Amino acid sequence: DFQMTQSPSSLSASVGDRVTITCRASQSISNYLNWYQQTPGKAPKLLIYAASSLQAGVPSRFSGSGSGTHFALSISSLQPEDFATYYCQQSYSVPPTFGQGTKVEV
Amino acid sequence: EVQLVESGGGLVQPGGSLRLSCAASSFTFSDYAISWVRQAPGKGLEWVSAISASGAHPSYADSVKGRFTISRDNSKNTLYLQMNSLRAEDTAIFYCAKANSGDYLADAFDIWGQGTKVTVSS
Repeated sequence: DFQMTQSPSSLSASVGDRVTITCRASQSISNYLNWYQQTPGKAPKLLIYAASSLQAGVPSRFSGSGSGTHFALSISSLQPEDFATYYCQQSYSVPPTFGQGTKVEV
Repeated sequence: EVQLVESGGGLVQPGGSLRLSCAASSFTFSDYAISWVRQAPGKGLEWVSAISASGAHPSYADSVKGRFTISRDNSKNTLYLQMNSLRAEDTAIFYCAKANSGDYLADAFDIWGQGTKVTVSS
């Protein structure tokens, strides 16, 4: 199975900050990397697929980059609704595996 | 609105069984692979199982293999998860999630249900 490791596990930020979360795969997964946002009590929401493609309806302040084993999710200017937990997920092979999550908090 | 709605969760004793359902609406259900993903209390996301669009190809996480069975009824636009020999460590919210691009078991998940809670406890 492909192991996905996110860093940091949590971070403190303020509204307007630029935030970057990284995700590392245990083996190359090309660009088969997706990012999700989850707020408390809610289901995850797909933000980015195929490493850098913005899902329909997701604000353009979210962006993804990377290929192979190193990936990043950036939020250009943090908004109040962006305080949440973010997960990466590889879709290169079954079983699809998730990172452990990064909590973005005030 | 494209939607998935889970049901069937509840409290069950260790060793017991439960069947979850996931009803789909507003998309061509039979064109997409669907997965079950769970989240234990305070923990991250764990993929549990997936099934191909036709239902011919199921896949399972090692942690549930031999205990859980995924199936679907495309005539009813419904996905199922039969869970047997339940353990305390199966306690979680179970989500069904639709493959983003079609019939690929490991795809990104673009639509999620609201989740159904399963508690395994005596």
